[in-house]
Amino acid sequence: GIQVEQSPPDLILQEGANSTLRCNFSDSVNNLQWFHQNPWGQLINLFYIPSGTKQNGRLSATTVATERYSLLYISSSQTTDSGVYFCAVGTSGSRLTFGEGTQLTVNP
Amino acid sequence: SAVISQKPSRDICQRGTSLTIQCQVDSQVTMMFWYRQQPGQSLTLIATANQGSEATYESGFVIDKFPISRPNLTFSTLTVSNMSPEDSSIYLCSASPSGRYEQYFGPGTRLTVT
Repeated sequence: GIQVEQSPPDLILQEGANSTLRCNFSDSVNNLQWFHQNPWGQLINLFYIPSGTKQNGRLSATTVATERYSLLYISSSQTTDSGVYFCAVGTSGSRLTFGEGTQLTVNP
Repeated sequence: SAVISQKPSRDICQRGTSLTIQCQVDSQVTMMFWYRQQPGQSLTLIATANQGSEATYESGFVIDKFPISRPNLTFSTLTVSNMSPEDSSIYLCSASPSGRYEQYFGPGTRLTVT
């Protein structure tokens, strides 16, 4: 099956800093999503981005499908951005394979 | 998007018993999925719940342990059978709106088996 690698596994920032999270995948995909899992366990949809670039407020994402990677940018980080960020990909329909996640801690 | 609810939100169960988790979607969806998230780990797909047919299970998961029902286009249940402490996890339901690949997740069910 498809392999999904996320980096870095852990990231500690000061409030206001910017960061870039990376997701590499081993095969062509027709589905790629970024999620934020908050401290209560809820998975929040950030982006559906199998290709191209999207922006939503302080967050943006870029997927270069031909090179099999996606990047999630967080600007001017806030303490509420803390949690685990997951990249998940699919090669056939909706079925998703998740990466191991990036644990982000934003300190005040 | 799709709004998904799950019941119960958490439970503590004894070894050897079974628990049924319910998942309700606020609109009709074609695809529903069940995932397990063990403590400190990522999500693993258990099965795809197909309306009107048997669920499709991933490698390592079997129907006898995780029977799934999908009686209509807005509802599904997952049963965790003959539980052991290793089944202590968060179980999450997700769904894709018809005609779309994007998945939306419920809040999860935190299961502790003692």
